[in-house]
Amino acid sequence: QQQVKQSPQSLIVQKGGISIINCAYENTAFDYFPWYQQFPGKGPALLIAIRPDVSEKKEGRFTISFNKSAKQFSLHIMDSQPGDSATYFCAASIIGGGNKLTFGTGTQLKVEL
Amino acid sequence: DTGVSQNPRHKITKRGQNVTFRCDPISEHNRLYWYRQTLGQGPEFLTYFQNEAQLEKSRLLSDRFSAERPKGSFSTLEIQRTEQGDSAMYLCASSSGQGGQPQHFGDGTRLSIL
Repeated sequence: QQQVKQSPQSLIVQKGGISIINCAYENTAFDYFPWYQQFPGKGPALLIAIRPDVSEKKEGRFTISFNKSAKQFSLHIMDSQPGDSATYFCAASIIGGGNKLTFGTGTQLKVEL
Repeated sequence: DTGVSQNPRHKITKRGQNVTFRCDPISEHNRLYWYRQTLGQGPEFLTYFQNEAQLEKSRLLSDRFSAERPKGSFSTLEIQRTEQGDSAMYLCASSSGQGGQPQHFGDGTRLSIL
């Protein structure tokens, strides 16, 4: 049973545009929601994370929007750049349960000039 | 800043052989996690340590897999009698273990079974 569903599977955005990736979770015990960026041949790198007591968090060009009642959260990348082309993973965990991450299936983002 | 280091980066072996991977976490991190990632998928949790204690193992971790973290420093993941289905990227991550602290990943060991 997939506990974190991610969409879309792939995304093409023009340079300067907004990239939006969505995730939905099932387990209401999740209380930590990070987003990771992964380049080919590299490990995932943490971008930004949120806890359910806030509805939005912004760091630079990256924003997480969180909807607790809908059990959904999304990543917005503003002013997308070709260097943002990578695979993005949402994840969720229970902090008191060892903080083991459950990942989505990933979104392959391509930013075109 | 020394990040999480994993060795080897690539391992090619024949089916039935044993393999061992090493992970050196960020020095002050007391939690260490192992994940497995197959092509086109997100990482899947395998096991984690708090200092030297292995606190949880996923059902994905068959009895052919064993992990250790002696003295709470580096960790090793051994796979015995490798099978074709073991081909994957094995990722290690570490964190400080305080509530909700981020996990920092290494670049993984890619295992290919011939």
